[in-house]
Amino acid sequence: EADIYQTPRYLVIGTGKKITLECSQTMGHDKMYWYQQDPGMELHLIHYSYGVNSTEKGDLSSESTVSRIRTEHFPLTLESARPSHTSQYLCASTRGRDEKLFFGSGTQLSVL
Amino acid sequence: GDSVTQMEGPVTLSEEAFLTINCTYTATGYPSLFWYVQYPGEGLQLLLKATKADDKGSNKGFEATYRKETTSFHLEKGSVQVSDSAVYFCALSRMDSSYKLIFGSGTRLLVRP
Repeated sequence: EADIYQTPRYLVIGTGKKITLECSQTMGHDKMYWYQQDPGMELHLIHYSYGVNSTEKGDLSSESTVSRIRTEHFPLTLESARPSHTSQYLCASTRGRDEKLFFGSGTQLSVL
Repeated sequence: GDSVTQMEGPVTLSEEAFLTINCTYTATGYPSLFWYVQYPGEGLQLLLKATKADDKGSNKGFEATYRKETTSFHLEKGSVQVSDSAVYFCALSRMDSSYKLIFGSGTRLLVRP
């Protein structure tokens, strides 16, 4: 089974707060991804990383930022949360040219 | 650009009915094709894949055949169970270049006892 973990599982926070969504994997995967899933279930790639100190913006513009200081850790930060950021955030990883993505269970973020 | 189109849901079936969820794609080159499943409250997990034309992916009674001539990868199952209720995503891989998966919009399946 996949060893990729996301915390918190649910987060309710007020507008203007800074938040960090955690994602960690213990599989030594070099590639990691953040997807935003809207209520209609569609997945949008917002950030990805090919390795340490490598981060790229995805296909959907996002006000969030990411960092990749360690192979196993790929946190996502919102400096000032807004209600429009309310969504499900899914983290995923894979190794090398392997095409199978392993997903975390997601963080459901609600900004009031 | 590359894209994946799935039939809209929800799809509602009775237990033991036959399932088809349509998926078509647009891509340059020769992508790999996938079906992922998302059960309630969980992340996505790989259901099956096919890497070249005419390949058939199969798992847990689900099947899909990579049809290059029709650019399709329809998901089928002969007899669905209540436990198959989930959201199903078709996807294509650009791992040969940008190492990204492109997902369809998802199709919710509800199986009634």
